[in-house]
Amino acid sequence: DQQVKQNSPSLSVQEGRISILNCDYTNSMFDYFLWYKKYPAEGPTFLISISSIKDKNEDGRFTVFLNKSAKHLSLHIVPSQPGDSAVYFCAATSYGGSQGNLIFGKGTKLSVKP
Amino acid sequence: EAGVTQSPTHLIKTRGQQATLRCSPISGHTSVYWYQQALGLGLQFLLWYDEGEERNRGNFPPRFSGRQFPNYSSELNVNALELEDSALYLCASSLDGQRATDTQYFGPGTRLTVL
Repeated sequence: DQQVKQNSPSLSVQEGRISILNCDYTNSMFDYFLWYKKYPAEGPTFLISISSIKDKNEDGRFTVFLNKSAKHLSLHIVPSQPGDSAVYFCAATSYGGSQGNLIFGKGTKLSVKP
Repeated sequence: EAGVTQSPTHLIKTRGQQATLRCSPISGHTSVYWYQQALGLGLQFLLWYDEGEERNRGNFPPRFSGRQFPNYSSELNVNALELEDSALYLCASSLDGQRATDTQYFGPGTRLTVL
């Protein structure tokens, strides 16, 4: 049973436009969410996180939105750049848990076309 | 500051053999995590070590085991290799894995191929 789902395996966007990556979760105990980015032949790198007490968190071109009632979060990249082309993983855990309980989605491959 | 390092980069084994993968965490990090990324399956949590102890284990058979050494480096052992063990094995480290808001830093991974 997948607790964290990224239903779009891939997404293609034109440079300068907005990229929206989606993630759904089923476990209502999750209250801390993260996005990681992974380039080929490299390990994932932490991008941005959000706590369930917020519905939005911004860091430069990256914004994560959380809709707790829908158990849905999204990552917005504005404007998208070719260097953003990578696989993006959504992950979730609970404050009552630990980093040792981090659950990842399968990832969405983003391609930003020049 | 050096990041998380893993060795070897690639490993080719035959079915039934044993594989040993190694990980060195970022200096000062006491928690080490192991993940398996098989084709199309995302990152599957394998093991979490903290202060030399195994703290949590994912849904994998006992032939997947490991340990953490006093210098916080870690080893993942896979016994009786099966074809479906072919995957990218990622190691990550963090300062304090007991905190849910801690950040994991990943190494580049070891690509294990079982023939």
